[in-house]
Amino acid sequence: NAGVTQTPKFQVLKTGQSMTLQCAQDMNHEYMSWYRQDPGMGLRLIHYSVGAGITDQGEVPNGYNVSRSTTEDFPLRLLSAAPSQTSVYFCASSYTNPVKSSYEQYFGPGTRLTVT
Amino acid sequence: DAKTTQPPSMDCAEGRAANLPCNHSTISGNEYVYWYRQIHSQGPQYIIHGLKNNETNEMASLIITEDRKSSTLILPHATLRDTAVYYCIVRPSLYNTDKLIFGTGTRLQVFP
Repeated sequence: NAGVTQTPKFQVLKTGQSMTLQCAQDMNHEYMSWYRQDPGMGLRLIHYSVGAGITDQGEVPNGYNVSRSTTEDFPLRLLSAAPSQTSVYFCASSYTNPVKSSYEQYFGPGTRLTVT
Repeated sequence: DAKTTQPPSMDCAEGRAANLPCNHSTISGNEYVYWYRQIHSQGPQYIIHGLKNNETNEMASLIITEDRKSSTLILPHATLRDTAVYYCIVRPSLYNTDKLIFGTGTRLQVFP
């Protein structure tokens, strides 16, 4: 299994440009989510999905769109990039393991985005 | 809002036990305590979780107070590779939606 993959690893955008951050998982997990992490800060939830066709907002959704057409993919779209969106973006997939009574979450390696 | 309070940083000598505290005084009866760590800006890594009993796995031990208002993550023999930011998180029962809220964590520095 590749786990959670994210592309690109690095990206530089100019203010006003749009782009899509890709996230894919091959573990057949129902839940997927996007976080951003600013320097010296914890992770903040942007959007999440509890299954194909279902998405919802997290703490900081403004300026971002998501869709979930398949179980495997959960792209994050920046509509009009702003310098405040300079951050590291992490995608995660997760599932509930009733046998272990645990909620198991796996993170991708991150995308480092700079908006100038 | 994060529901937990952690010290911003701690130091630990290599080979000694690292005890990382977490305060979660508003925890609800159905909320679990989870610990993750993040090494050098990689994606966070799950360590351990618990509800009310103490837990141990190959990575760490988790001690939860009887009133569940605080917990301590114990790395029994810290190594340099344990240098990381450690996040204590409370989340609702297993079958809730994916709202895992991270705070700012504790930056643990293990020194030789």
